[in-house]
Amino acid sequence: EAGVAQSPRYKIIEKRQSVAFWCNPISGHATLYWYQQILGQGPKLLIQFQNNGVVDDSQLPKDRFSAERLKGVDSTLKIQPAKLEDSAVYLCASSSHPGGAQHFGDGTRLSIL
Amino acid sequence: GDSVTQMEGPVTLSEEAFLTINCTYTATGYPSLFWYVQYPGEGLQLLLKATKADDKGSNKGFEATYRKETTSFHLEKGSVQVSDSAVYFCALSEGNFGNEKLTFGTGTRLTIIP
Repeated sequence: EAGVAQSPRYKIIEKRQSVAFWCNPISGHATLYWYQQILGQGPKLLIQFQNNGVVDDSQLPKDRFSAERLKGVDSTLKIQPAKLEDSAVYLCASSSHPGGAQHFGDGTRLSIL
Repeated sequence: GDSVTQMEGPVTLSEEAFLTINCTYTATGYPSLFWYVQYPGEGLQLLLKATKADDKGSNKGFEATYRKETTSFHLEKGSVQVSDSAVYFCALSEGNFGNEKLTFGTGTRLTIIP
Protein backbone atom coordinates (compact mmCIF):
# COMPACT_ATOMS: atom_id res chain seq x y z
CA GLU A 1 0.00 0.00 0.00
CA ALA A 2 1.17 3.51 -0.72
CA GLY A 3 2.36 5.44 2.30
CA VAL A 4 1.55 8.94 3.50
CA ALA A 5 2.66 11.45 0.87
CA GLN A 6 3.82 14.96 1.76
CA SER A 7 5.05 17.85 -0.32
CA PRO A 8 7.23 19.76 -0.64
CA ARG A 9 10.16 17.99 1.04
CA TYR A 10 11.97 21.24 1.71
CA LYS A 11 10.94 24.87 1.86
CA ILE A 12 12.94 27.99 2.58
CA ILE A 13 11.14 31.29 3.14
CA GLU A 14 11.75 34.61 4.81
CA LYS A 15 10.01 35.58 8.03
CA ARG A 16 6.59 37.14 7.59
CA GLN A 17 6.02 35.22 4.35
CA SER A 18 3.36 32.53 4.05
CA VAL A 19 3.80 28.83 3.29
CA ALA A 20 1.56 25.81 2.75
CA PHE A 21 2.17 22.10 3.11
CA TRP A 22 0.18 19.28 1.56
CA CYS A 23 -0.53 15.78 2.83
CA ASN A 24 -2.21 12.79 1.21
CA PRO A 25 -2.91 10.05 3.78
CA ILE A 26 -3.05 6.32 3.22
CA SER A 27 -6.16 5.43 1.29
CA GLY A 28 -9.09 4.78 3.59
CA HIS A 29 -7.51 6.32 6.67
CA ALA A 30 -10.09 8.50 8.36
CA THR A 31 -7.82 10.07 10.96
CA LEU A 32 -5.14 12.56 9.96
CA TYR A 33 -2.59 14.33 12.15
CA TRP A 34 -0.16 17.23 11.68
CA TYR A 35 2.91 17.37 13.92
CA GLN A 36 5.68 19.94 14.37
CA GLN A 37 9.14 18.53 15.09
CA ILE A 38 11.68 21.13 16.16
CA LEU A 39 15.32 20.08 15.88
CA GLY A 40 16.34 17.95 18.85
CA GLN A 41 12.77 17.45 20.08
CA GLY A 42 10.04 14.90 19.64
CA PRO A 43 7.07 15.62 17.40
CA LYS A 44 4.34 17.78 18.90
CA LEU A 45 0.73 17.34 17.75
CA LEU A 46 -0.68 20.46 16.11
CA ILE A 47 -4.06 19.22 14.89
CA GLN A 48 -6.02 15.99 14.50
CA PHE A 49 -8.82 15.45 11.97
CA GLN A 50 -11.44 12.72 11.91
CA ASN A 51 -12.69 12.69 8.32
CA ASN A 52 -13.15 16.41 7.61
CA GLY A 53 -13.81 17.46 11.21
CA VAL A 54 -11.30 18.74 13.76
CA VAL A 55 -10.91 16.51 16.84
CA ASP A 56 -8.10 18.39 18.59
CA ASP A 57 -6.41 21.66 17.70
CA SER A 58 -5.50 22.72 21.23
CA GLN A 59 -1.80 23.15 20.41
CA LEU A 60 -2.25 24.88 17.05
CA PRO A 61 -1.16 28.56 17.17
CA LYS A 62 -4.35 29.76 15.57
CA ASP A 63 -3.18 33.33 15.10
CA ARG A 64 -0.83 32.15 12.35
CA PHE A 65 -1.47 28.47 11.63
CA SER A 66 -4.49 27.03 9.85
CA ALA A 67 -5.33 23.59 8.50
CA GLU A 68 -8.13 22.08 6.51
CA ARG A 69 -9.28 18.73 5.21
CA LEU A 70 -12.26 19.74 3.15
CA LYS A 71 -13.15 16.42 1.51
CA GLY A 72 -11.91 14.18 4.30
CA VAL A 73 -8.88 13.00 2.30
CA ASP A 74 -6.04 15.43 1.49
CA SER A 75 -5.07 18.09 3.98
CA THR A 76 -3.17 21.36 3.87
CA LEU A 77 -1.39 23.17 6.68
CA LYS A 78 -0.68 26.87 6.28
CA ILE A 79 1.48 29.33 8.18
CA GLN A 80 0.87 33.04 7.69
CA PRO A 81 2.94 35.00 8.60
CA ALA A 82 5.92 32.77 9.41
CA LYS A 83 8.20 33.46 12.36
CA LEU A 84 11.78 32.31 12.92
CA GLU A 85 10.64 29.85 15.61
CA ASP A 86 8.49 28.03 13.04
CA SER A 87 11.62 26.45 11.56
CA ALA A 88 10.95 22.73 11.98
CA VAL A 89 9.97 19.54 10.21
CA TYR A 90 6.21 19.27 9.70
CA LEU A 91 5.04 15.69 9.77
CA CYS A 92 1.72 14.33 8.59
CA ALA A 93 0.42 11.00 9.85
CA SER A 94 -2.73 8.97 9.31
CA SER A 95 -4.47 6.07 10.98
CA SER A 96 -7.46 3.96 10.06
CA HIS A 97 -9.24 5.05 13.24
CA PRO A 98 -8.58 7.22 16.29
CA GLY A 99 -6.07 5.50 18.54
CA GLY A 100 -4.93 3.21 15.74
CA ALA A 101 -1.31 2.85 14.68
CA GLN A 102 -0.14 6.08 13.07
CA HIS A 103 1.74 5.98 9.76
CA PHE A 104 4.00 8.96 9.11
CA GLY A 105 5.07 10.71 5.94
CA ASP A 106 8.67 11.81 5.37
CA GLY A 107 7.88 15.37 6.43
CA THR A 108 8.50 18.86 5.10
CA ARG A 109 11.58 20.62 6.40
CA LEU A 110 10.85 24.34 6.76
CA SER A 111 13.62 26.89 7.19
CA ILE A 112 12.80 30.51 8.01
CA LEU A 113 15.44 33.12 7.16
CA GLY B 1 -0.10 16.44 31.91
CA ASP B 2 1.31 13.35 30.27
CA SER B 3 5.04 13.25 29.60
CA VAL B 4 7.78 10.92 28.41
CA THR B 5 11.42 11.07 29.52
CA GLN B 6 14.10 9.34 27.49
CA MET B 7 17.74 8.79 28.17
CA GLU B 8 19.74 11.51 26.56
CA GLY B 9 21.94 10.76 23.60
CA PRO B 10 23.74 10.48 21.50
CA VAL B 11 24.53 6.82 22.09
CA THR B 12 27.41 5.25 20.21
CA LEU B 13 27.96 1.49 20.26
CA SER B 14 30.04 -1.03 18.40
CA GLU B 15 28.34 -3.57 16.16
CA GLU B 16 27.00 -6.61 18.07
CA ALA B 17 26.89 -4.70 21.38
CA PHE B 18 23.88 -4.86 23.71
CA LEU B 19 21.55 -1.88 23.56
CA THR B 20 19.36 -0.32 26.23
CA ILE B 21 17.56 2.99 25.78
CA ASN B 22 15.70 4.03 28.92
CA CYS B 23 12.20 5.48 28.83
CA THR B 24 9.94 6.48 31.72
CA TYR B 25 6.54 8.08 31.57
CA THR B 26 4.04 10.08 33.57
CA ALA B 27 0.36 9.60 32.85
CA THR B 28 -2.93 9.97 34.67
CA GLY B 29 -4.46 6.73 33.43
CA TYR B 30 -3.35 3.59 31.66
CA PRO B 31 -1.65 4.62 28.44
CA SER B 32 -0.46 2.55 25.52
CA LEU B 33 3.29 2.76 25.00
CA PHE B 34 5.26 2.86 21.77
CA TRP B 35 8.74 3.02 20.33
CA TYR B 36 9.15 4.78 17.00
CA VAL B 37 12.30 4.89 14.87
CA GLN B 38 13.32 7.67 12.49
CA TYR B 39 15.98 6.96 9.89
CA PRO B 40 17.84 9.92 8.33
CA GLY B 41 15.62 11.97 6.06
CA GLU B 42 12.54 9.87 6.73
CA GLY B 43 9.41 10.04 8.81
CA LEU B 44 8.76 8.03 11.94
CA GLN B 45 8.06 4.31 11.75
CA LEU B 46 6.35 2.32 14.47
CA LEU B 47 8.90 -0.13 15.88
CA LEU B 48 6.85 -1.82 18.61
CA LYS B 49 4.07 -1.21 21.08
CA ALA B 50 2.46 -2.48 24.28
CA THR B 51 -1.05 -1.70 25.39
CA LYS B 52 -1.20 -2.95 28.99
CA ALA B 53 0.98 -3.71 31.97
CA ASP B 54 3.47 -6.58 31.57
CA ASP B 55 2.93 -6.72 27.80
CA LYS B 56 6.13 -7.14 25.80
CA GLY B 57 6.38 -5.55 22.39
CA SER B 58 8.95 -6.92 19.95
CA ASN B 59 10.05 -6.35 16.37
CA LYS B 60 13.28 -6.72 14.36
CA GLY B 61 15.14 -8.04 17.43
CA PHE B 62 14.08 -5.09 19.60
CA GLU B 63 12.01 -5.63 22.75
CA ALA B 64 10.37 -3.47 25.41
CA THR B 65 8.24 -4.47 28.40
CA TYR B 66 5.47 -2.27 29.85
CA ARG B 67 6.37 -1.93 33.54
CA LYS B 68 3.55 -0.19 35.40
CA GLU B 69 5.25 -0.41 38.80
CA THR B 70 8.27 1.55 37.57
CA THR B 71 6.38 3.50 34.82
CA SER B 72 9.02 2.40 32.34
CA PHE B 73 9.26 1.03 28.80
CA HIS B 74 12.96 0.51 28.14
CA LEU B 75 14.06 -0.51 24.64
CA GLU B 76 16.57 -3.39 24.35
CA LYS B 77 18.34 -5.30 21.60
CA GLY B 78 20.83 -8.06 22.17
CA SER B 79 23.12 -7.42 19.20
CA VAL B 80 22.94 -4.16 17.26
CA GLN B 81 23.84 -3.68 13.61
CA VAL B 82 25.07 -0.68 11.66
CA SER B 83 21.62 -0.50 10.04
CA ASP B 84 20.08 0.22 13.47
CA SER B 85 21.63 3.69 13.45
CA ALA B 86 18.69 6.08 13.76
CA VAL B 87 16.80 8.26 16.24
CA TYR B 88 14.50 6.36 18.59
CA PHE B 89 11.42 7.96 20.17
CA CYS B 90 9.43 6.64 23.09
CA ALA B 91 5.79 7.71 23.12
CA LEU B 92 2.55 7.19 24.98
CA SER B 93 -1.04 7.39 23.87
CA GLU B 94 -3.82 8.38 26.20
CA GLY B 95 -7.20 10.02 26.01
CA ASN B 96 -10.86 9.35 25.62
CA PHE B 97 -11.90 7.02 22.83
CA GLY B 98 -11.69 8.92 19.58
CA ASN B 99 -9.40 11.54 21.06
CA GLU B 100 -6.27 9.55 21.82
CA LYS B 101 -3.08 11.46 21.09
CA LEU B 102 0.60 10.62 21.09
CA THR B 103 3.04 12.33 23.44
CA PHE B 104 6.66 11.83 22.40
CA GLY B 105 9.95 11.92 24.24
CA THR B 106 12.79 14.03 22.87
CA GLY B 107 14.42 11.12 21.04
CA THR B 108 17.73 9.29 21.41
CA ARG B 109 20.18 9.29 18.52
CA LEU B 110 21.89 5.90 18.15
CA THR B 111 25.04 5.41 16.10
CA ILE B 112 26.48 1.94 15.53
CA ILE B 113 30.09 1.74 14.39
CA PRO B 114 31.43 -1.29 12.53
